[in-house]
Amino acid sequence: DADVTQTPRNRITKTGKRIMLECSQTKGHDRMYWYRQDPGLGLRLIYYSFDVKDINKGEISDGYSVSRQAQAKFSLSLESAIPNQTALYFCATSGDREGREQFFGPGTRLTVL
Amino acid sequence: AQSVTQPDIHITVSEGASLELRCNYSYGATPYLFWYVQSPGQGLQLLLKYFSGDTLVQGIKGFEAEFKRSQSSFNLRKPSVHWSDAAEYFCAVAPGYSSASKIIFGSGTRLSIRP
Repeated sequence: DADVTQTPRNRITKTGKRIMLECSQTKGHDRMYWYRQDPGLGLRLIYYSFDVKDINKGEISDGYSVSRQAQAKFSLSLESAIPNQTALYFCATSGDREGREQFFGPGTRLTVL
Repeated sequence: AQSVTQPDIHITVSEGASLELRCNYSYGATPYLFWYVQSPGQGLQLLLKYFSGDTLVQGIKGFEAEFKRSQSSFNLRKPSVHWSDAAEYFCAVAPGYSSASKIIFGSGTRLSIRP
């Protein structure tokens, strides 16, 4: 079984809809991250969490929110989706203290029409 | 500001040929350096990492990378590519001190393999 899983893997939605992307991990890591990937821009950090009670904004958090329901679960929500949020979204985890070595899920491809 | 530059957007090499993917970084101190590979439809997989010590690091799948402090570079190499190496490759940098937790990714280099 995969260590970091994401659901759904693909999603098409309409502008204004609320969307939740889910991430689960079996690695026992405290640190979890959400990134979005756009062609030519690499990965950009949306939010990250050091533990259940510690959530931090990344460089592009506007329009997104997160919830760390448990050590193993970290969800990303788009409260009102817009077309420029069409992207590939990755969840990652890290077990080292500084969060440098990260392990990625397979990604969720989100299309907002 | 910290940054990572991968100057080549797309590279095509023949199967069996050697490969070098370039990565330059801008950082105040010696960073931690990574190369990730993303195969089509897949997440990112760590190829190799440099934290300290020997500046030539070996990774999985026959890849290696060399950290050159004087050039602020961490180029990825492979002596003989295989068709299965076709993928997108990302260089990444993380702070070399313990207070931060963010990795900065380059924009990626897409590798195509010519039969």
